[in-house]
Amino acid sequence: GAGVSQSPSNKVTEKGKDVELRCDPISGHTALYWYRQSLGQGLEFLIYFQGNSAPDKSGLPSDRFSAERTGGSVSTLTIQRTQQEDSAVYLCASRDAGTNSPLHFGNGTRLTVT
Amino acid sequence: SQQGEEDPQALSIQEGENATMNCSYKTSINNLQWYRQNSGRGLVHLILIRSNEREKHSGRLRVTLDTSKKSSSLLITASRAADTASYFCATDIGGATNKLIFGTGTLLAVQP
Repeated sequence: GAGVSQSPSNKVTEKGKDVELRCDPISGHTALYWYRQSLGQGLEFLIYFQGNSAPDKSGLPSDRFSAERTGGSVSTLTIQRTQQEDSAVYLCASRDAGTNSPLHFGNGTRLTVT
Repeated sequence: SQQGEEDPQALSIQEGENATMNCSYKTSINNLQWYRQNSGRGLVHLILIRSNEREKHSGRLRVTLDTSKKSSSLLITASRAADTASYFCATDIGGATNKLIFGTGTLLAVQP
């Protein structure tokens, strides 16, 4: 079946502009995660959605970052007033219910802030 | 701070040799997972080991887990050039958060 889809695959924006990144998880997956990966680095946890529960926003680096998940499916990560340090690959992943299920990742959105 | 730290940061071997990567973590876990990332792509799940397991095999992969030392290792046997990638461990601490925390990764280069 279809995997996790992210769009756009690449985004170049000017400093100060807002951007929206989209994630379509695998159908039926109840959990959705956003991570950020800077060049040559590991993954930094940003936010986690599980069903209808309140999201875990503990990884969001500032109040310029926000995310929502509509109807328990598609998610949008929004970065307001982008800064150059926001440049990174933003990865979305989803997984099925159950404590021992693996994450399925999209190919990410490469964000470049000029 | 990172939950998982991996060692070495980079590893270069010849095709046919074995590659061993290590992961250390800080808190109690529900399970530990290993992922692979090819350049410019998302991560792909390789293998999951539960906290009550000590060793697990999948094809050419062998994973061990020592919860007393809070460490895990990933062994790739008979490596191939196509195994060249970055490898990450991820710890699932379970509970209410159920989020996976990733390590810093090991960049493996397999020379043909």
